[in-house]
Amino acid sequence: DAGITQSPRHKVTETGTPVTLRCHQTENHRYMYWYRQDPGHGLRLIHYSYGVKDTDKGEVSDGYSVSRSKTEDFLLTLESATSSQTSVYFCAISEPDLDNEQFFGPGTRLTVL
Amino acid sequence: SQQGEEDPQALSIQEGENATMNCSYKTSINNLQWYRQNSGRGLVHLILIRSNEREKHSGRLRVTLDTSKKSSSLLITASRAADTASYFCATGPRAGGFKTIFGAGTRLFVKA
Repeated sequence: DAGITQSPRHKVTETGTPVTLRCHQTENHRYMYWYRQDPGHGLRLIHYSYGVKDTDKGEVSDGYSVSRSKTEDFLLTLESATSSQTSVYFCAISEPDLDNEQFFGPGTRLTVL
Repeated sequence: SQQGEEDPQALSIQEGENATMNCSYKTSINNLQWYRQNSGRGLVHLILIRSNEREKHSGRLRVTLDTSKKSSSLLITASRAADTASYFCATGPRAGGFKTIFGAGTRLFVKA
């Protein structure tokens, strides 16, 4: 987990509220990712970024938005949280010149009541 | 649908035994990676094998890749209780893509 932090680490919120999760890296890696992990599904890509202000959708992007205004920060926003978004969220970083090996943050456990 | 699918979903062995996990994938790849996840933690990269390689070793880990069958295996020799974790395969796409696709994982339990 060195070089990547996520905040908050745990959050409980209510349906309909907006939630923002933050990923911060000190490795200066170009690519950043947000995944969610649910039992039986492994990791599913929500959104990714290939540079400052450059983002794109992953396979489960509905209900989520992202922003990257600085190399080191990648924000994930749940515009109006739903119970189906209860999950563990992982941020990851990679540098394509390094075979795109991904380095993961410690995760954020989000519960939507 | 997921690119990588691990088999078995769960595996329980005694300490000292070898553990073998398999991964199948669907499309052409640039490389295949294996990751480990301890309970409550993020994934940690274990080993990467490129599409032009057939076998790779790292300590007690041995990875094989068969691109004709679109499959890979991860062997952990002389397992230890500390190897208890979930193991994921992940495929790196060809043509300069950078979206790595993860399978659902194999849960390994090593009994002391």
